[in-house]
Amino acid sequence: EADIYQTPRYLVIGTGKKITLECSQTMGHDKMYWYQQDPGMELHLIHYSYGVNSTEKGDLSSESTVSRIRTEHFPLTLESARPSHTSQYLCASTDRQGALGNTIYFGEGSWLTVV
Amino acid sequence: AQKITQTQPGMFVQEKEAVTLDCTYDTSDPSYGLFWYKQPSSGEMIFLIYQGSYDQQNATEGRYSLNFQKARKSANLVISASQLGDSAMYFCAMRERSNYQLIWGAGTKLIIKP
Repeated sequence: EADIYQTPRYLVIGTGKKITLECSQTMGHDKMYWYQQDPGMELHLIHYSYGVNSTEKGDLSSESTVSRIRTEHFPLTLESARPSHTSQYLCASTDRQGALGNTIYFGEGSWLTVV
Repeated sequence: AQKITQTQPGMFVQEKEAVTLDCTYDTSDPSYGLFWYKQPSSGEMIFLIYQGSYDQQNATEGRYSLNFQKARKSANLVISASQLGDSAMYFCAMRERSNYQLIWGAGTKLIIKP
């Protein structure tokens, strides 16, 4: 069982609010990811990190920001939420070094609705 | 160009039948790995099976097996004796040695009928 946790699981907030989605893993993984996914659709990588103080933007342009101050923690922040941000956000992690087959582990996801 | 293609947006299968979910990929890297994940309606992503490009045998994990045809660049997931709990989205993904990022397919929605 994966030791990667996301909070909150479900959130409804108003337009213009600031929101931080939390993600923590206890596996000591260097690489962490944030994906955005609409229901029944493909995953879009929005941010990733190779380790502490390393953050990169993914393939999908996003108005969110991330930080990686500690290995185990990779929070995602929306400074001013809009209805277009309504989606599921999935956090994931994997070992940076090692075999191609290193499994990427996912959290349970955070469902965000902006009204 | 799409690196991972899942041509079946949705499938209906009778319970207890076997089902094959298609996945084709495109890469020039000789070293790569292929993954299948299951996503139930609750949203979490569950790792199912992995196949490395140099693996001699097709991967198997319980009721899941991967039909790996390297020359055709296909990595189809086979689920034997399907169960109602297999109803979910299924995603194929690839990781290349030259680029450690996972590249995802668009997914196939599988519905098992009782």
